[in-house]
Order: sequence, then C-alpha cells, then structure tokens
Amino acid sequence: NAGVTQTPKFQVLKTGQSMTLQCAQDMNHNSMYWYRQDPGMGLRLIYYSASEGTTDKGEVPNGYNVSRLNKREFSLRLESAAPSQTSVYFCASSESSLGTYNEQFFGPGTRLTVL
Amino acid sequence: AQSVTQLDSQVPVFEEAPVELRCNYSSSVSVYLFWYVQYPNQGLQLLLKYLSGSTLVKGINGFEAEFNKSQTSFHLRKPSVHISDTAEYFCAVRVSGGYNKLIFGAGTRLAVHP
Repeated sequence: NAGVTQTPKFQVLKTGQSMTLQCAQDMNHNSMYWYRQDPGMGLRLIYYSASEGTTDKGEVPNGYNVSRLNKREFSLRLESAAPSQTSVYFCASSESSLGTYNEQFFGPGTRLTVL
Repeated sequence: AQSVTQLDSQVPVFEEAPVELRCNYSSSVSVYLFWYVQYPNQGLQLLLKYLSGSTLVKGINGFEAEFNKSQTSFHLRKPSVHISDTAEYFCAVRVSGGYNKLIFGAGTRLAVHP
C-alpha cells in the first residue's frame, strides 16, 4: 500500500497562474483533508471532504477550490496563484470524520512557490 | 474554539540528554490530544495520542506524554534523545465526538547535537 500520495512534489508558479494539486489514497478511507503548513503557524485546514460527494471549508479556504473526484482522489486547485499561497501543502485521509477517533494519515507534501 | 500553544519554537539538546516539549491547549469541552513528528522533507507521522483513560501515554521511539486536565497541558518527554530524533514536533487537538478536524500548534523544532 502506498498510503497517501501527492503530486507534484515541487512546483514554482508565477502570480496569476493556476494549478491543481493531486492527492490519492489507497486505504479505502471515506474522509480526506487539505492542509497548508507555514513557518511558525503549524498546519491549517483548507478544505475537507467527509465523504465522496461532499466538501466543506476549513480555517483558510479563500483562494482555493477542491474536488472530491471519487473515493480515492481529492484535488486542490489554485485558480489565480498569489505569493501568499507559497507554502507546503499536505493531504491527509481518515476512515471517517465523525464521532470516535479516526487517525489521519498524511502524504509527503507539495512544496509550492509563487513568484 | 480550541487552540494549541507550543511554548518553545526551538529546543536544542545534546545527545542522550532528556527532553521535554511543552504543549498547552484551550477548550471548554473534552478533547483528544496528539503529538505528530515531521522529519526533514517528509509528511507528518503520529507519535502518540490521548483519547481517554490513563493520563500517561506511550508512543513510538521511546516518547511519552502526560495529559494534565487541570493545567490543560500535554507535554511530550523522552528520557534520552538520539541524533535521529532531530525533527519538528506538532501538538494537535480535536473535540472528542465531533468532526475529525485537527487544530495544530505552531510546532517545536528539536535539534539534537552530538
């Protein structure tokens, strides 16, 4: 099992360009998450998907859109990239997002620089 | 709303010395507490968790943490660190029984020197 995979690993964009970050999990998990990690701020939740066909905003959703393509895949799109979106992006998944504890498993991250 | 404060942004320590990484949280409801470790250029890995029961929890790589409800703390400890423990450590909280949304602290960078 590969767990949670993310592509690309690195990306450099110019201001105004668009791109999609891809995430896939092979653990048959229902819930998936997108976080961004910035120095001195820990990880902050951008969007999450409790189950296939549903998405909800997290703490910092502005400037992003998401698509839960199927149970395995959850993509994050930047329509018009800004320097403030320079960050490391992590995707995670868990069996469920409700009720009792469900461990979140994290991907290796995508390092994005917006010039 | 929940929040997490990691009191030290960096902790330098010599190999084989003990270490404590401090974490305080604020919440008006019951919470689950976690410590994650991030090695350089890697994703996050769960180190240990407190859900209920014994307040002393043991995790991987010889780490342990103690939940103190009265002080709203969940400090991480290891009696003797190795060079390989050099990493960033994140404390996180989520509301028990609620949505599985983690609130992370800012992180503590542990640097172990020979």
